[in-house]
Amino acid sequence: AQTVTQSQPEMSVQEAETVTLSCTYDTSENNYYLFWYKQPPSRQMILVIRQEAYKQQNATENRFSVNFQKAAKSFSLKISDSQLGDAAMYFCAYRSAVLQGGSEKLVFGKGTKLTVNP
Amino acid sequence: NAGVMQNPRHLVRRRGQEARLRCSPMKGHSHVYWYRQLPEEGLKFMVYLQKENIIDESGMPKERFSAEFPKEGPSILRIQQVVRGDSAAYFCASSPRTSGGYEQYFGPGTRLTVT
Repeated sequence: AQTVTQSQPEMSVQEAETVTLSCTYDTSENNYYLFWYKQPPSRQMILVIRQEAYKQQNATENRFSVNFQKAAKSFSLKISDSQLGDAAMYFCAYRSAVLQGGSEKLVFGKGTKLTVNP
Repeated sequence: NAGVMQNPRHLVRRRGQEARLRCSPMKGHSHVYWYRQLPEEGLKFMVYLQKENIIDESGMPKERFSAEFPKEGPSILRIQQVVRGDSAAYFCASSPRTSGGYEQYFGPGTRLTVT
């Protein structure tokens, strides 16, 4: 079974600075998708960025970018020019790309609570 | 295009009562997923359904929990004889299809409190 580990329960960053959130995962599959979700105090899950394992190029979305290291099974999220609105729980998630008996579930890490200091 | 709708947003039940949580997927989405989030935890997969079919229920507790996604109407997650340990946030997500890595779009969640 796949597992996702986020080793940083909490992180803090100064406004306008850059912060990196760590995520590692364990899988025997070669094809899969990785996601970062943001959960603000409203508890709404918001997709931040996603990465296809077969793509070597790291995904970017405005101030958000990832460092995907497939061999190391590492998928970190970098937030540049941090804003107060970035404060939230951030969850890393894994999803298999192989359709085996309909296994479409997302496997989540336990999350990292990001605080942005003004 | 309205997002994934869940109701109620908050639900309080006494021990032993039944809880019914509803999820209306985004328009055009035929795949629904239920996840549970315990305090200070990430989301845990419960069940994956398509219209009138349960595809993967590997995350569902063996007893008291059931889910359906009828041909017409919302998906329902039903918890019978609730216990305090069922207190959690329950999230529904939907996607248009499975191939191609389509994202799962999440609803706002239902916070269940068992007293």
